[in-house]
Amino acid sequence: EAGVAQSPRYKIIEKRQSVAFWCNPISGHATLYWYQQILGQGPKLLIQFQNNGVVDDSQLPKDRFSAERLKGVDSTLKIQPAKLEDSAVYLCASSSSGGATDTQYFGPGTRLTVL
Amino acid sequence: AQSVTQLGSHVSVSEGALVLLRCNYSSSVPPYLFWYVQYPNQGLQLLLKYTTGATLVKGINGFEAEFKKSETSFHLTKPSAHMSDAAEYFCAVRGISGDGGYNKLIFGAGTRLAVHP
Repeated sequence: EAGVAQSPRYKIIEKRQSVAFWCNPISGHATLYWYQQILGQGPKLLIQFQNNGVVDDSQLPKDRFSAERLKGVDSTLKIQPAKLEDSAVYLCASSSSGGATDTQYFGPGTRLTVL
Repeated sequence: AQSVTQLGSHVSVSEGALVLLRCNYSSSVPPYLFWYVQYPNQGLQLLLKYTTGATLVKGINGFEAEFKKSETSFHLTKPSAHMSDAAEYFCAVRGISGDGGYNKLIFGAGTRLAVHP
């Protein structure tokens, strides 16, 4: 079974530029998550989708971050404009139903450096 | 609100020695607890989880953890460390909210385990 795919793996941009990340979850998984992992910290949930609807985006900085999940499969996370403090690894995860005890399967992440 | 504290950002052990990674949580209700491992340049992988039932949980690669409600702890152990265990380990909690729903997964800051010959 293929795992969670993410691209690109690395991205370097200047502050105030835009960037987009792509995620393809495990086939059949209804729930998709985007996490931000700053160096030295644990992952922090940015947004959770159930199929193509948003379940939780309370920690998403909506003035600059946006995310969508078209047709309940792939998802993109966009940052516009980027700030220095956005430098982090962005992790995508998926789970079968989003239940409290569901296992979340993580992709390898996209490492973003903002200069 | 739920929170997780991992004591020790770095732990170093000799190959063959006991591994003990500490995790304490705060939750107003019995939580669901998880340990994830992250190898360099890879995503997180579930090691084990506690939901209900037996408080001693066995996971992959010989790891186990014990849920101790009285101590609000969920420490991760392995009797004998291998070089391949070198990685970062994250404890996470998912609490149940008052309306019967559940909260997001909250991760600790992680503990980096080094294993030396």
